[in-house]
This record gives sequence, C-alpha cells and structure tokens, in this order.
Amino acid sequence: QVHLVESGGGLGKPGGSLRLSCAASGFTFSDYYMSWIRQVPGKGLEWISYISNSGNTVDYVDSVKGRFTISRDNDKNSLYLQMNSLRTEDTAVYFCVRQSPRPRSPAQYWGQGTLVTVSS
Amino acid sequence: DIVLTQSPDSLAVSLGERTTINCKSSQNVLYSSNNKNYLAWHQQKPGQPPKLLINWASTRESGVPDRFSGSGSGTDFTLTISSLQAEDVAIYYCQQYFSFPFTFGQGTKLEI
Repeated sequence: QVHLVESGGGLGKPGGSLRLSCAASGFTFSDYYMSWIRQVPGKGLEWISYISNSGNTVDYVDSVKGRFTISRDNDKNSLYLQMNSLRTEDTAVYFCVRQSPRPRSPAQYWGQGTLVTVSS
Repeated sequence: DIVLTQSPDSLAVSLGERTTINCKSSQNVLYSSNNKNYLAWHQQKPGQPPKLLINWASTRESGVPDRFSGSGSGTDFTLTISSLQAEDVAIYYCQQYFSFPFTFGQGTKLEI
C-alpha cells in the first residue's frame, strides 16, 4: 500500500534553513504528482507546493515563493522541500502528499507529517 | 486565489442522525470541457493526517463507507453523512484543485 514517511523537521531559527524529505513506497513514484501541504497545529491546511511526475513543473503558494524549493529524485523514490529564509509563521506540520498522474488532482494519500518549529 | 467557506464551523449530532456540511467557493470549480467539479472532501481525526473521502465532488474513494456522500456543482457543495457513527468524529475540509494554489475550507468540526 501507499506509504509516505517525512523526515527532517525540527527546530529552525528565523532566517535559517531546513530540508524536509519524504520517502515513498508502495507505488510507482515516478508516475505521480507530489506535493507539500502544511498545517499550523490546531489550525487549517495550506497547500504550499507541487511538482510534476518528471520534476519539470513546479509551483508555489505566494507565502513561500522564492524561499522554498520542491524537488524529487525518482531513482530514490523521494520528495524534498528545501526551506530557506525561515520565518516564525512557517511553524507547522508539513505533510508529504501524493496526488494522481494528472496535474489538477486532490491530495489522495498523506504522510503522517513532520513538525517544523521556527523560533529564536 | 479561490476561497472556500464552510458552514457551519462546528456542529454536534446524535448517533444515527443525518448531517450535512456545506462548502461555498468564491469561483466556479466546474470545468466545462469535461463537466467535472474539481472539489474534494477530506476527514481529519484527532492526531492523524487528513484522509481523502470524496473527489470530483461526488466520487467516494475506495473503502469509504457509503454513508458518506458528496453533492453540488459550480460553487456550492455539500458533504452528507447519512447516519452518524462514533468514528465519524473529526474535522472535515473541502478542497479545490481547479486552480493553483489549491485551497481548503477552514474546516467543520463534527462532534457527537
């Protein structure tokens, strides 16, 4: 079955960097669009970025554009999120999400999430 | 960006009762070329990630009980639970995937 495991969360300082990883299994990773969605604890959900199955197409929500970079390694069945210039408002649980092979598709499977805390 | 507004924010329902949650979109999410509504419903239980229940506004995911149903088109959508079970206690979110950034409603907290 589909399994998504995030790692790399933790404490980061304002202005600092963190890199999140997501290990995928149970499906042909290279066939699917993947995304990162975040949730401030006790609050709502924000879809922050997606990447196409080939990795050639990416997009970001305005709040992270220019600071975060999504990437993937289809040989390693892994998704990444490089987070630079961290802000306190980036504090959230970050979920790795599998969509479908199509670009406009819902979040079909979710990882358990990894908590990122940005604080001095 | 498309804004999704859910109502109510929270509700308490007795076991076995029928309940509905509404989701209103600030823009049409019906794609005319394929007549599909790019609207999903997710369920998030305490301490868990969300789980996709329904996509294309009315298509249940595999394994989702048939007491869950989705309806609506264009800008107005509804999630219905026909007979509430104890395990349905959760926060329910609608989500549009018509245009990026994909967005979620603020959530509806369902209690017994």
